Amino acid sequence: GNSVTQMEGPVTLSEEAFLTINCTYTATGYPSLFWYVQYPGEGLQLLLKATKADDKGSNKGFEATYRKETTSFHLEKGSVQVSDSAVYFCASDRRGTGFQKLVFGTGTRLLVSP
Amino acid sequence: NAGVMQNPRHLVRRRGQEARLRCSPMKGHSHVYWYRQLPEEGLKFMVYLQKENIIDESGMPKERFSAEFPKEGPSILRIQQVVRGDSAAYFCASSPGPFREDTQYFGPGTRLTVL
Repeated sequence: GNSVTQMEGPVTLSEEAFLTINCTYTATGYPSLFWYVQYPGEGLQLLLKATKADDKGSNKGFEATYRKETTSFHLEKGSVQVSDSAVYFCASDRRGTGFQKLVFGTGTRLLVSP
Repeated sequence: NAGVMQNPRHLVRRRGQEARLRCSPMKGHSHVYWYRQLPEEGLKFMVYLQKENIIDESGMPKERFSAEFPKEGPSILRIQQVVRGDSAAYFCASSPGPFREDTQYFGPGTRLTVL
């Protein structure tokens, strides 16, 4: 079945540093890929997604590119802010189910200090 | 426009008691999903419901767990005779449609602790 592996946290950065959170997936076929973000005390919010190989999802300065050859969907941001501190979840969906059946990684906590 | 609501946010139960978790989807959404997050693990799919129908319950434990989404009112995830291993965060999501393209919107979760 599908699985998603992402780097363990916490990731601790200073403001304006470059961010990379690694995510790799295993799947049969070509799943859609997602990054969700969870701020303290809130539910998960969709940050960005990509539905096919070489697609780039982007939102709020974050980017991730669907790489079929390396089965990866790494999250990047050029200059992080304190307000980006949150837990980030990588996810894929399972094809053949007819609906969006999400498979999540374990989450990576990002801490950004001023 | 209120988001997905879950209550209670925190629930403490003793072994053998019942736990009822409620989820009110976003306005206009008739598709609900439940996920469970065990400590140090990712969210895992449990069940997908439409109004009055269970569409996919392949992630639900075979015993003690049940879910419903009645015509009126919130979706309920029910855990009977809870055990310590049920301690987890339970997240509900809703979507406007049943398709893979439909974004799921998540609630803040219910943290269940079994003593």
